[in-house]
Amino acid sequence: DTAVSQTPKYLVTQMGNDKSIKCEQNLGHDTMYWYKQDSKKFLKIMFSYNNKELIINETVPNRFSPKSPDKAHLNLHINSLELGDSAVYFCASSQDLAELNTEAFFGQGTRLTVV
Amino acid sequence: GQNIDQPTEMTATEGAIVQINCTYQTSGFNGLFWYQQHAGEAPTFLSYNVLDGLEEKGRFSSFLSRSKGYSYLLLKELQMKDSASYLCAVLDSNYQLIWGAGTKLIIKP
Repeated sequence: DTAVSQTPKYLVTQMGNDKSIKCEQNLGHDTMYWYKQDSKKFLKIMFSYNNKELIINETVPNRFSPKSPDKAHLNLHINSLELGDSAVYFCASSQDLAELNTEAFFGQGTRLTVV
Repeated sequence: GQNIDQPTEMTATEGAIVQINCTYQTSGFNGLFWYQQHAGEAPTFLSYNVLDGLEEKGRFSSFLSRSKGYSYLLLKELQMKDSASYLCAVLDSNYQLIWGAGTKLIIKP
């Protein structure tokens, strides 16, 4: 069974559209994350979320919003897509990273291409 | 600002040893991770260091010096399947992971 699964794996869409990427984890973890990996291969945190707190990277445009229907899911909604949003988006989960020596498990990634 | 530096690319020969360095400047320190990422795939966990010294795990070892803001990942007996990017990430004082851009390791026969 896949520990962290995200769909779709590939997403091609036009500028101005609104799209969602889904993420589910079956590890019983408390915290989930969304990362963006751009063409230079930097992994940049976008959001981290657990039952108590949503932490937003202040550099993320408010066109991006996380939605968590329950502890096992954290979906990413993107409104009014722009060309610069093209990247690979990774979902991840972990127990609380404040508990040291906790690794993060990543989904397979969603390659978003905005045309 | 927070910064993680690693070489962009390294080349090594199958069967040899390679050391990938990482230097960091972060607001606080709660540990350093190494992840492996094959092209087109998700990063996978390799190691975690929070105390100074060397942690050995099979063919892979990771070293940390907190006073120098420095870590390295040592890969021994290189295999072709070790061709991948190796990402260094530091857990800062807010328990946020700060990532380097990764080192692309190319293994030649």
